[in-house]
Amino acid sequence: DIQMTQSPSSLSASVGDSVTISCRTSQSIDTFLNWYQQKPGKAPKFLIYAASRLQTGVPSRFSGSGSGTDFTLTISSLQPEDFATYYCQQSYSPPLTFGLGTKVEIK
Amino acid sequence: EVHLVESGGGLVQPGKSLRLSCAASGFIFDNYALHWVRQIPGKGLEWVAGLNWNSGNIGYADSVKGRFTISRDNVKNSLFLQMNSLRAEDSALYYCVKDVNGDYETGRFESWGQGSLVTVSS
Repeated sequence: DIQMTQSPSSLSASVGDSVTISCRTSQSIDTFLNWYQQKPGKAPKFLIYAASRLQTGVPSRFSGSGSGTDFTLTISSLQPEDFATYYCQQSYSPPLTFGLGTKVEIK
Repeated sequence: EVHLVESGGGLVQPGKSLRLSCAASGFIFDNYALHWVRQIPGKGLEWVAGLNWNSGNIGYADSVKGRFTISRDNVKNSLFLQMNSLRAEDSALYYCVKDVNGDYETGRFESWGQGSLVTVSS
């Protein structure tokens, strides 16, 4: 199985800040990497697929990059509605696996 | 608009069985692969199982293989998860999830239901 390592597990930031979340995989997955946002009490929301492609309707302040084993999610100019937990997930091969999540909190 | 509504969760004793259902609407059901993803409240996400549009290819997480069975009814626009030999560690919120195409190995979780809570306890 492909292991996913996300860092940090949590971070504090202010509105307007730029934040970067890292996701590392235990083997190369090309760009088969997706990102999700989850707010408390809600189902996850699909943000980014193929490492860098924004799902329809996702604001352009979200961006993704990386290939192989190292990936990043960047949120430029954090907005109040961006405070949430973010998960990476590999779709290179089953079993499909997630990172443990990064909680973005208000400073 | 895609709508996925799970049902069938509840409190069940260890070793017993439970069947989850997911009623889907708002899209051409038999064009898409579907999955079950679970989440222990306050914890991370775990993919449980997925199947192709025609049930021709099915996959399971190792943690449930041999105990859980995913299936679908393309006439009734429904997805199911038969859970046998339940354990305490199966307690979680179970989400019904739609993929972006008919192949579950694409593995992009595009649309989610609100979840059905399963609690395994004596």
